[in-house]
Amino acid sequence: DQQVKQNSPSLSVQEGRISILNCDYTNSMFDYFLWYKKYPAEGPTFLISISSIKDKNEDGRFTVFLNKSAKHLSLHIVPSQPGDSAVYFCAASGNAGNNRKLIWGLGTSLAVNP
Amino acid sequence: NAGVMQNPRHLVRRRGQEARLRCSPMKGHSHVYWYRQLPEEGLKFMVYLQKENIIDESGMPKERFSAEFPKEGPSILRIQQVVRGDSAAYFCASSQRQLNTEAFFGQGTRLTVV
Repeated sequence: DQQVKQNSPSLSVQEGRISILNCDYTNSMFDYFLWYKKYPAEGPTFLISISSIKDKNEDGRFTVFLNKSAKHLSLHIVPSQPGDSAVYFCAASGNAGNNRKLIWGLGTSLAVNP
Repeated sequence: NAGVMQNPRHLVRRRGQEARLRCSPMKGHSHVYWYRQLPEEGLKFMVYLQKENIIDESGMPKERFSAEFPKEGPSILRIQQVVRGDSAAYFCASSQRQLNTEAFFGQGTRLTVV
């Protein structure tokens, strides 16, 4: 039962354009969402997060949008750079019981072409 | 302030041997999480520990796997009588508090069972 879904396993974008990575979740108890970036043979690196009381959070080139009614969030990277090429994981957690741990999507592999 | 330290980075074990994976959390972090990434799969939660306590082990296989986070020293993930299917990357993460916060990851231990 995949509670966090990243339906696009891969995405290819031209340098300078916008990258949009999508994530859907099924558990309405999730109230905190995070995006991580992962390079091969390294651990995931935290990028940006959003609480369910917000619908947008921005940090430099990275913006996360949350649509609670649709149980959908997205990560926008603009402008995209070749160094952004990595696997991006969406994760979610709640604040009670078994929801307190991070639940992960399977990742989207982003390739930014020069 | 050193990040999350995992060792060893690479571990080779023969079938039936024991594997011990170590994780030293970031300074000031008392929450530790272990995740496993099987080839071609995303990160799967295994166990969540606080000092001397297992909070959530719902992702741990019922047999052969155990974890601890003693009052002094690193967290240990122990796999007894390893089998080929245990070959994976094992990641440890730590956080300062339990809820609504990002977790910081180590570089992982890649276990290969031959």
